[in-house]
Amino acid sequence: QVQLQESGPGLVKPSETLSLTCAVSGYSISSGYHWGWIRQPPGKGLEWIGSIYRSGSTYYSPSLKSRVTISVDTSKNQFSLKLSSVTAADTAVYYCARVDWIFDYWGQGTLVTVSS
Amino acid sequence: QSALTQPPSASGSPGQSVTISCSGTSSDVGAYKYVSWYHQHPGKAPKLMIYEVSKRPSGVPDRFSGSKSGNTASLTVSGLQAEDEADYYCSSYAGSNSVVFGGGTKLTVL
Repeated sequence: QVQLQESGPGLVKPSETLSLTCAVSGYSISSGYHWGWIRQPPGKGLEWIGSIYRSGSTYYSPSLKSRVTISVDTSKNQFSLKLSSVTAADTAVYYCARVDWIFDYWGQGTLVTVSS
Repeated sequence: QSALTQPPSASGSPGQSVTISCSGTSSDVGAYKYVSWYHQHPGKAPKLMIYEVSKRPSGVPDRFSGSKSGNTASLTVSGLQAEDEADYYCSSYAGSNSVVFGGGTKLTVL
């Protein structure tokens, strides 16, 4: 069974960089699929942030592209998200997921609050 | 790249059927077979219910069905049950290795 688990700070100061990691178990990232990040502001809908393939090829949402970096570490079977210059509008539950242009396995999500 | 359009709410009584629409454009929903549906209970992660317009993952009841006509996809939940009450989101591949979600529909079982 594929399982994903997000980890990282729950509180980030404005203008700083949000960093999260997603640990994957039950499936080797090196075997295929894309791996992605989705976020959900409190009380709002889902927003795709971006995805990465095992080769390191990345694909980002046009609206976040200038601030997002997604990377993969196949040796640790995990991938990471960095979002720079955060503001209160970036406060959200951040999910990681396995991606095949559908999201079939999701992490439980982690709330990141941007506040001083 | 704009969000897909879903009605904010839908409702039905137990045993009834309800259909939720997801309106996109010829660049996303209308162009690709990669339309999927998710339901999300409060405080939980979304769960895949339908993929590639009308396919059901293993374990999803056949009460859930999907279809597409032109730029609009639809999810139908038949034989409504109390546990179907949740938020429902559609998503579509939008070309150039990107994905777009709908705004979500809150389904209430009366």
